[in-house]
Amino acid sequence: GAVVSQHPSRVICKSGTSVKIECRSLDFQATTMFWYRQFPKKSLMLMATSNEGSKATYEQGVEKDKFLINHASLTLSTLTVTSAHPEDSSFYICSAPITGTGRGNEQFFGPGTRLTVL
Amino acid sequence: QKEVEQDPGPLSVPEGAIVSLNCTYSNSAFQYFMWYRQYSRKGPELLMYTYSSGNKEDGRFTAQVDKSSKYISLFIRDSQPSDSATYLCAMSGNKAAGNKLTFGGGTRVLVKP
Repeated sequence: GAVVSQHPSRVICKSGTSVKIECRSLDFQATTMFWYRQFPKKSLMLMATSNEGSKATYEQGVEKDKFLINHASLTLSTLTVTSAHPEDSSFYICSAPITGTGRGNEQFFGPGTRLTVL
Repeated sequence: QKEVEQDPGPLSVPEGAIVSLNCTYSNSAFQYFMWYRQYSRKGPELLMYTYSSGNKEDGRFTAQVDKSSKYISLFIRDSQPSDSATYLCAMSGNKAAGNKLTFGGGTRVLVKP
């Protein structure tokens, strides 16, 4: 399968600071990537769709000014949590689909980033 | 009613038993069906990917899709303690729908040695 990496794997920050999380597709190009948030023992909640060369599309209830997404290249998307607060503490995961002729919608996930805001 | 329903478990089985997991869904537009395995504090790992109805086998894993009943299944044969994890079903419509996945809530599986 394809490989998606995330950095950092874990981050602890103070309330009010901003945190950037990187998502990279290592062996394929991804014009679209997805950002999820997961609470303990819960399923994944889609936050936004990251589109290379255009603005991200946010799901209902997700603050776009709070969670800034930039899809800088065909292999890199970043999520910046601005002015982080303790309620932003969560597990953030990105995914990228492999598309193209003969491919459907196989999506590969990164290992996740655990954010703790003190 | 959720778009994708999945029993949260936990499902506890002895080592070597067959693990049977399933999801039901309501959106007839779903065409792509996936099963993911997620260990605690890790990202989901794609196990099986199926397009439309039918069966697919890969090693100890078998995925079944019955679109007429809106029901998908995953079977794990000869289960091992290392199979203990949360299993998530996921599905999506055609590419025009934007490749968004809709997930079930996940089933916790515990394989006891």
